[in-house]
Amino acid sequence: NAGVMQNPRHLVRRRGQEARLRCSPMKGHSHVYWYRQLPEEGLKFMVYLQKENIIDESGMPKERFSAEFPKEGPSILRIQQVVRGDSAAYFCASSLRPTASGGATDTQYFGPGTRLTVL
Amino acid sequence: AQTVTQSQPEMSVQEAETVTLSCTYDTSESDYYLFWYKQPPSRQMILVIRQEAYKQQNATENRFSVNFQKAAKSFSLKISDSQLGDAAMYFCAYRSQAGSYQLTFGKGTKLSVIP
Repeated sequence: NAGVMQNPRHLVRRRGQEARLRCSPMKGHSHVYWYRQLPEEGLKFMVYLQKENIIDESGMPKERFSAEFPKEGPSILRIQQVVRGDSAAYFCASSLRPTASGGATDTQYFGPGTRLTVL
Repeated sequence: AQTVTQSQPEMSVQEAETVTLSCTYDTSESDYYLFWYKQPPSRQMILVIRQEAYKQQNATENRFSVNFQKAAKSFSLKISDSQLGDAAMYFCAYRSQAGSYQLTFGKGTKLSVIP
């Protein structure tokens, strides 16, 4: 049973280019979260998506960043016109179904992350 | 907004010994979840243990256990019989029962295991 997959694992971009990060959730999971980890920091929430819907993007910068989770295919985190401050590790997590009552269905399982370096 | 504080940037433990990692959090909610995640050098985030706030009993997973003090808003992780493979960054995380259920993480504690 494959876990959460992210690609690429490492991505190098020059300032002003676009970065596309992909996340394939665990089989059967329809909820995806994106987090960013700056050096020496914990992970910070960016966006929460369900299939074809953005549920909560309160943690995502208003400009240059966008995310989608289409009906078919992986979730994509897109960063336009990257700057050096975007250099970080970006993690995707998926869950089966978050519920107010909790339980194993709401546990978030993380992918290995994509390390973005902006030159 | 909730905050999670890990006051020990680094800790070390001798192999086979016991170590406790501290975590405190701030919230006005009464119902929530707490987690410890491990991040080894591979950077993969691995769930170690979870605790439901409404449960008084402390969670345990093999050599890993927590001391959950709800009134003090404290959630420490105890690792018994430490092994070399336990060396990693450990992150404490909070999850609300409301909203979109995103995790709020502390800054982490780097654990070294001395052979």
